[in-house]
Parts: sequence; structure tokens; C-alpha cells
Amino acid sequence: DAKTTQPNSMESNEEEPVHLPCNHSTISGTDYIHWYRQLPSQGPEYVIHGLTSNVNNRMASLAIAEDRKSSTLILHRATLRDAAVYYCIRDSNYQLIWGAGTKLIIKP
Amino acid sequence: GAVVSQHPSWVICKSGTSVKIECRSLDFQATTMFWYRQFPKQSLMLMATSNEGSKATYEQGVEKDKFLINHASLTLSTLTVTSAHPEDSSFYICSAKGRAYGYTFGSGTRLTVV
Repeated sequence: DAKTTQPNSMESNEEEPVHLPCNHSTISGTDYIHWYRQLPSQGPEYVIHGLTSNVNNRMASLAIAEDRKSSTLILHRATLRDAAVYYCIRDSNYQLIWGAGTKLIIKP
Repeated sequence: GAVVSQHPSWVICKSGTSVKIECRSLDFQATTMFWYRQFPKQSLMLMATSNEGSKATYEQGVEKDKFLINHASLTLSTLTVTSAHPEDSSFYICSAKGRAYGYTFGSGTRLTVV
């Protein structure tokens, strides 16, 4: 079963780090892991992606477990603008397997 | 960065009419385009995948005669919802993939069939 599972929602305080988990226990060796986020009535926006090594960019960091069966999206200092639904996606040769998304709530 | 323009952003149509949604890659050539629909509080659901110049591949349960997809050029794909009914009301999103890595999504089209 090629599922990608995420918690339904998470809350965080503004200006604190946020760790969003994702399980992809049946991932194969060549599958990339993507994270996108979506605001209401908008298309998904790219956040980060990776294969095996941890990745950093100006938006976030992606920590990938050594066995690749899970990953964590890290927002180092959440702002109110980071409130969105975050999707973890497994890319299996252009077949995208979407998680149900985690709604991130940021408390001021 | 890569930009995908999707139009219209919202449309209201009468039951039985057809609606066309356009998806354009503005600054890159999209070898593959994807069409999704999304119901409230749910994840995106892939409807079909299209490669430029060839017929679209539809996901199981998606009627190809109802949801017509044309990908005639490397920068344009269209989705036509034919004989729309209220149950077709949804949020439709396109995504484009170029030769470089990554998927770029359009801003979505809210279709309401009355």
C-alpha cells in the first residue's frame, strides 16, 4: 500500500520552530520526497524536496530518516504567513502520491 | 522561477453547458501537464496526465469523454468539462513539469455549476 501519511493538524506559536512529520514507509530507493503548501483557494506552492540527504533552502529544511521511511519538514521560525495546509508527496517516477495534508495553525 | 498561469480563476455555468480551463507555462516548456480536482478539506486528486502531442492518460474513474484534455503545445494545456452538472462543481488545478526538476502548479479554477 503506497500511502503517505501525515497528521491532520498541528499548532505552533509564532516565531517558534515547527516540525511537520510524514510517513512514507513503502518508499522505494528512487522516489523523491516533496513538500508543498496550499493556502485556501490557491494552488500548491513548492516548499522543498529531497532524495536521501537532508536539504535546506530559504523557506525550510527537510530531514529525511536514514531508512527513508519518514521525513520531517522544519520551519525554523514560523510566522503567521506560514499558516497553510502542508502536503508531503512521494514522487514515484512522476506518479505523485499525496498525503492528506497537515493544517498548520500559527498562534500569535 | 517557473510560473504556471491558469484561467479563469473562477467560473459559474449553467447545468448542461461546457467550460474550458486553460493552463499555460509562462517561462518554461512543459513536457508533462497534470490536472487535479480538489474537494473541500481534501487533498488533490489526480484526474489525468498529458504529454505534449499525445493523448492524455486518465485515472481510474475519470470519464475521458466528460473531461477533455488537450495539450497541443509545450506551453498550453486545456481542460474542458463537457455537459457540466452540479456534481462537477469543484476546484480544478493544473500542474506542469518541465525538463528541469520540479512541479509548478496553477492558481486553480473554482467551478460552480448551477
